[in-house]
Amino acid sequence: EVQLVESGGALVQPGGSLRLSCAASGFTLSTYWMHWVRQAPGKGLVWVSLINSDGSRTDYADSVKGRFTISRDNAKNTLYLQLNSLRGEDTAVYYCARARDGYNDAFDIWGQGTMVTVSS
Amino acid sequence: QSVLTQPPSVSAAPGQKVTISCSGSSSNIGNNYVSWYQQVPGTSPKVLIYDNSKRPSGVPDRFSGSRSGTSATLGITGLQTGDEADYYCGTWDSSLSAYVFGTGTKVTIL
Repeated sequence: EVQLVESGGALVQPGGSLRLSCAASGFTLSTYWMHWVRQAPGKGLVWVSLINSDGSRTDYADSVKGRFTISRDNAKNTLYLQLNSLRGEDTAVYYCARARDGYNDAFDIWGQGTMVTVSS
Repeated sequence: QSVLTQPPSVSAAPGQKVTISCSGSSSNIGNNYVSWYQQVPGTSPKVLIYDNSKRPSGVPDRFSGSRSGTSATLGITGLQTGDEADYYCGTWDSSLSAYVFGTGTKVTIL
């Protein structure tokens, strides 16, 4: 079965750090561009970051640029998101998603999400 | 603040039809493919439409998509109770160099 499974979400204090993981199975991660998308409680979907198939290109939403870092380990079939200098407004469910065919294509596979809560 | 605008909610009786609009600009919808996602409360989003009007395997043909200029539309016919969900349009924005989602539309079955 093709699936993505996120982990690493937690309650963290403002200014803290966290690393999210997204394990892929049922397909070869190295073939695909991957994205992170977040959703604050009761709010809509917001794109966070993307990474190309070999990890040489990354992009970020302005709201997280300089604080978050996306990376991947294709040998481990795993995608990561390092979250630093966390703020209350970063509280959200974080989803990893596979781009169907290129960086700007539809997200055809989504993980179940992992919750990040930033609070003192 | 999303750059893609959708109506907050639409509603109709079972068996009826609804359409959801998604308004953007030349930097996003006007020059990039549009996708539509369904999110049932408490679950992850699921792609319904990609490349403006194509349906992934397993998505019923009751769901359809179209694009005209800088707007896109999702249509749902033969409404079922299981269609109650939030629906989002999404596309790449070439000016922002970012993927953008619509504001989301809640579909309610009366």
